[in-house]
Amino acid sequence: SAVISQKPSRDICQRGTSLTIQCQVDSQVTMMFWYRQQPGQSLTLIATANQGSEATYESGFVIDKFPISRPNLTFSTLTVSNMSPEDSSIYLCSVEGLAGDTGELFFGEGSRLTVL
Amino acid sequence: AQTVTQSQPEMSVQEAETVTLSCTYDTSESDYYLFWYKQPPSRQMILVIRQEAYKQQNATENRFSVNFQKAAKSFSLKISDSQLGDAAMYFCAYRSGWGAQKLVFGQGTRLTINP
Repeated sequence: SAVISQKPSRDICQRGTSLTIQCQVDSQVTMMFWYRQQPGQSLTLIATANQGSEATYESGFVIDKFPISRPNLTFSTLTVSNMSPEDSSIYLCSVEGLAGDTGELFFGEGSRLTVL
Repeated sequence: AQTVTQSQPEMSVQEAETVTLSCTYDTSESDYYLFWYKQPPSRQMILVIRQEAYKQQNATENRFSVNFQKAAKSFSLKISDSQLGDAAMYFCAYRSGWGAQKLVFGQGTRLTINP
């Protein structure tokens, strides 16, 4: 398994500002995934981040709104830019398992953002 | 594109009883994984059980078991001897054995345990 730490755990933000969420993994992983969970909804993939290359964004998500960095194999950041109340969500970082390909993804505890 | 459907937004069960959560999925792939994740109010996503598509035997993990019907593309979760700590949102998820290997989630089922 992988231990994933996300910061901040929660934050209250003002409309029009930007916030960067950090994801730290306790071991090296190839792919990291960023998900969004809007209130009462399921998880939707924002983008997949590989070290040393541009993140791959899902339909409906763009780099200008959700820039992602992946400077090394244990760390990634997701920025939510020019926030509006519609961006109020839980943002979750996830990674693959390490001991062989068991298929599942492991998740951080999520970052709950509230935009006023 | 793969889709996952959970048709039960909410379910409730008496403590110590058995409950089954439904999940169907759509894919043209032959190599994939299926999962049930649990999300309690703490919002941490916790893996409950996994199933590899190539395995005919249904996966079991203690009180949790699945009924995997590959031809019908059905993947239900059975929770036996329900406990208060089982109360959570349950998400069914699909992961391709190829490519970017993202998880595709169903809409979720909120499970309530009545004491």
